[in-house]
Amino acid sequence: ETGVTQSPTHLIKTRGQQVTLRCSSQSGHNTVSWYQQALGQGPQFIFQYYREEENGRGNFPPRFSGLQFPNYSSELNVNALELDDSALYLCASRHRTTPYGYTFGSGTRLTVV
Amino acid sequence: GESVGLHLPTLSVQEGDNSIINCAYSNSASDYFIWYKQESGKGPQFIIDIRSNMDKRQGQRVTVLLNKTVKHLSLQIAATQPGDSAVYFCAEIGGSYIPTFGRGTSLIVHP
Repeated sequence: ETGVTQSPTHLIKTRGQQVTLRCSSQSGHNTVSWYQQALGQGPQFIFQYYREEENGRGNFPPRFSGLQFPNYSSELNVNALELDDSALYLCASRHRTTPYGYTFGSGTRLTVV
Repeated sequence: GESVGLHLPTLSVQEGDNSIINCAYSNSASDYFIWYKQESGKGPQFIIDIRSNMDKRQGQRVTVLLNKTVKHLSLQIAATQPGDSAVYFCAEIGGSYIPTFGRGTSLIVHP
C-alpha cells in the first residue's frame, strides 16, 4: 500500500470511446503527475498538476486531459481512444515539501480494442 | 553478472551474486537521479537516490554510482535475492522536478 490509489485496476474500451481514470493521493500531496507505460517500456510523462492547474506537459496530444481536485484526487481523461493508447497508466504524487519524493500508484491497465 | 547497459535489457543472476544494472542518462543539467524497482502489476517503487554533486551513495544492500563525465548511472545490488527480481528504472530529474525514465532493465534472480 503506497498511499496512492488508482481506479479501476483494469479497463477495456473500444476504439473511439472516451475514458476517465482516477487517482487518490495522500493528504498534502498537492502535485500529481500522470504517466503512460507501454509494455516493455519505461513510463512516459503525460502531464503534471499543481494546486489544480496543469504546470507541465509531455509529448501527448490534447485528447489527453486532466483534472486535480482540492481533496488530493485527480483524473486523467482520454478522448477518441486509439489502439496505441493501450498501456498502464500511472499516477504519481508528492508532498509540497519533498520535490523529489514521488509516490506511485499501482496503475490502471487500459486495453483498447 | 554485469549488465552492458540498455543494449541488454535483461540481466540473469544466481541468488547470492552481486548485480550491476547500468543506465545512460541524457540531460547533463539533471541534478537528481532515482532508481526505481517495478514488480509485475505494481507501480515503480523508490529504491535509492543520488544528487548530482555526489558520485556514490549507499543504502541497504544497494549502492548507486554516478559518473557525470559520461552521463552514466549504475545500481549495485549485493547478495541478490529472488525477491529482487523485477524491472529496474533509472530516472533523471532537472529543474522541472519531473522524473524522466529510461527504458529499464529486467533482473531475473535464479534460486
